[in-house]
Amino acid sequence: QVQLQQSGPGLVKPSETLSLTCTVSGGSIGSYYWSWIRQPPGKGLEWIGYIYYSGSTTYNPSLKRRVTLSVDTSKNQLSLKLNSVTAADTAMYYCARGTYYGDTDSWGQGTLVAVSS
Amino acid sequence: SYVLTQPPSVSVAPGKTARITCGGNNIGSKSVHWYQQKSGQVPVVVVYYDSDRPSGIPERFSGSNSGNTATLTISRVEAEDEADYYCQVWDSNSGVVFGGGTKLTVL
Repeated sequence: QVQLQQSGPGLVKPSETLSLTCTVSGGSIGSYYWSWIRQPPGKGLEWIGYIYYSGSTTYNPSLKRRVTLSVDTSKNQLSLKLNSVTAADTAMYYCARGTYYGDTDSWGQGTLVAVSS
Repeated sequence: SYVLTQPPSVSVAPGKTARITCGGNNIGSKSVHWYQQKSGQVPVVVVYYDSDRPSGIPERFSGSNSGNTATLTISRVEAEDEADYYCQVWDSNSGVVFGGGTKLTVL
């Protein structure tokens, strides 16, 4: 049973970079698309982007200029970096395993990130 | 960008049938996935590729997709079905797109 364990700070200052890591255990990173999805408090789901195990990425056009996704297959880890954050980036952030078409079968536990000085 | 439109809320009595719609331009040509998110929990797929059910999802959950509307149908609704439901598609220009979500209330 694959497990996704997220880590990273829960508080980021405005204009700084949000950085989160997702460590995959119980399964390989290979042959899957790994999505990052966020959910502002009380609001709906927003796809940030995904990365294939080979390193190929696809981003949400609305976030593309601020987002970088990366993968370290030797550590079975995925990373999200979102720069120049504002209060609007305050949200629960999830990593998830899925396919090219976005359907997912496993999610991380979520990391609540607040952007505040 | 591709937009998916869901009703903000749907209410249904226990034992009845709930239908949650997801509207999008020619959505019938795309594969639709439906997620259930209970309060404080991680979303879970209940229907994928329009009408398939993952293992462990009750047969009461079904989906259809045609024209400009996809529908998630929950038969014989139970109290435990109360949750937020999201539709999701993949679009060549927008990538993965989620609908705004529908809050299902079991009366």
